[in-house]
Amino acid sequence: KQEVTQIPAALSVPEGENLVLNCSFTDSAIYNLQWFRQDPGKGLTSLLLIQSSQREQTSGRLNASLDKSSGRSTLYIAASQPGDSATYLCAVKGWNRDDKIIFGKGTRLHILP
Amino acid sequence: EAGVTQFPSHSVIEKGQTVTLRCDPISGHDNLYWYRRVMGKEIKFLLHFVKESKQDESGMPNNRFLAERTGGTYSTLKVQPAELEDSGVYFCASSQENRGHEQFFGPGTRLTVL
Repeated sequence: KQEVTQIPAALSVPEGENLVLNCSFTDSAIYNLQWFRQDPGKGLTSLLLIQSSQREQTSGRLNASLDKSSGRSTLYIAASQPGDSATYLCAVKGWNRDDKIIFGKGTRLHILP
Repeated sequence: EAGVTQFPSHSVIEKGQTVTLRCDPISGHDNLYWYRRVMGKEIKFLLHFVKESKQDESGMPNNRFLAERTGGTYSTLKVQPAELEDSGVYFCASSQENRGHEQFFGPGTRLTVL
């Protein structure tokens, strides 16, 4: 049974710092891995999706890596800004392309102005 | 293109009442998913439609929950009768094969059962 763990559960860093959020999963047979952002009271915004054959994806100040063999992914945020404050969710999709997504509990990020 | 929409955004009902949530997927998306996040827990899968057929309903908590997708377009999720532990945020997502099966999520419906 796939389990997704995110560490830390919460993180506060001063504005301008670079930071890394961690995600681990127990079953390496995944179709893809996705990082989402959720703002309080809002829906989920997809940030980056990494297919199982890929090692990383980049979008602006965000970079996500995937090491399937070790069951790990990281989300790197460069030059953090107060607007980056949100909950970041890691989610993996099972081997069959129609499989459901398994989510981690998320990391609550607070960027201090 | 318009995104996934959900209605209502919030619903407050009393225990024992019935509530129906609606999801309109992105036009042309055959796959439709329902997920739920209850307080303090991770978002969990409820069920998956491919067009009008239920592909996987292994996450449905019990028989008080009924999901339909008549005609393969929008979907409804009915909770009858609602219990306190049903409170949470219900998300809908849709995907299509030619988009790599990336799931696009709606804003969610926040359900509060008093």
